[in-house]
Amino acid sequence: ETGVTQTPRHLVMGMTNKKSLKCEQHLGHNAMYWYKQSAKKPLELMFVYNFKEQTENNSVPSRFSPECPNSSHLFLHLHTLQPEDSALYLCASSQLTGTQTGELFFGEGSRLTVL
Amino acid sequence: KNEVEQSPQNLTAQEGEFITINCSYSVGISALHWLQQHPGGGIVSLFMLSSGKKKHGRLIATINIQEKHSSLHITASHPRDSAVYICADPNTGNQFYFGTGTSLTVIP
Repeated sequence: ETGVTQTPRHLVMGMTNKKSLKCEQHLGHNAMYWYKQSAKKPLELMFVYNFKEQTENNSVPSRFSPECPNSSHLFLHLHTLQPEDSALYLCASSQLTGTQTGELFFGEGSRLTVL
Repeated sequence: KNEVEQSPQNLTAQEGEFITINCSYSVGISALHWLQQHPGGGIVSLFMLSSGKKKHGRLIATINIQEKHSSLHITASHPRDSAVYICADPNTGNQFYFGTGTSLTVIP
């Protein structure tokens, strides 16, 4: 138990579906992240939220839409995805102090398969 | 852009062996993170260090800021240490750069 909970753990969707990934952190952190992990590739940063404000959108296609309603919750809305979007999507949180960040705490990940 | 490189990419060891995983980065950093990812996906933070050495149980992490190099050592390795080990540079603030990971398998 890392204090970061992701749901669902597994998701299979068609290219025309709309679904959402949810992340919740119980650590009181002020920064939350979405990462994508594809096979044999490094973790790719998708989005960063500091104090609920999006500070980074790492050239992510608009078919991925993040939402951060408060500092404890983060969503990733998915629509009209492509098969190449199949990957493990990881949520993380950390405490940002000035320009320094503390340890990253990750959720267990959501394994997405797009058919 | 910071390049974070890890070696080796894959490592197989016998139980009890001493293991070293290396990480090199190209830009000066304030701190380096070591992460562990078990099969199934979950990632755990092992260390965050900005100088010298840190120890936690059988795990030891060292960093040489001048040489832009860090190592993760595992003493008396055990099959439960089998995982992917990832080093990460938080760059400025929290825009992390990650290595590709070292896949470790410890055989009983």
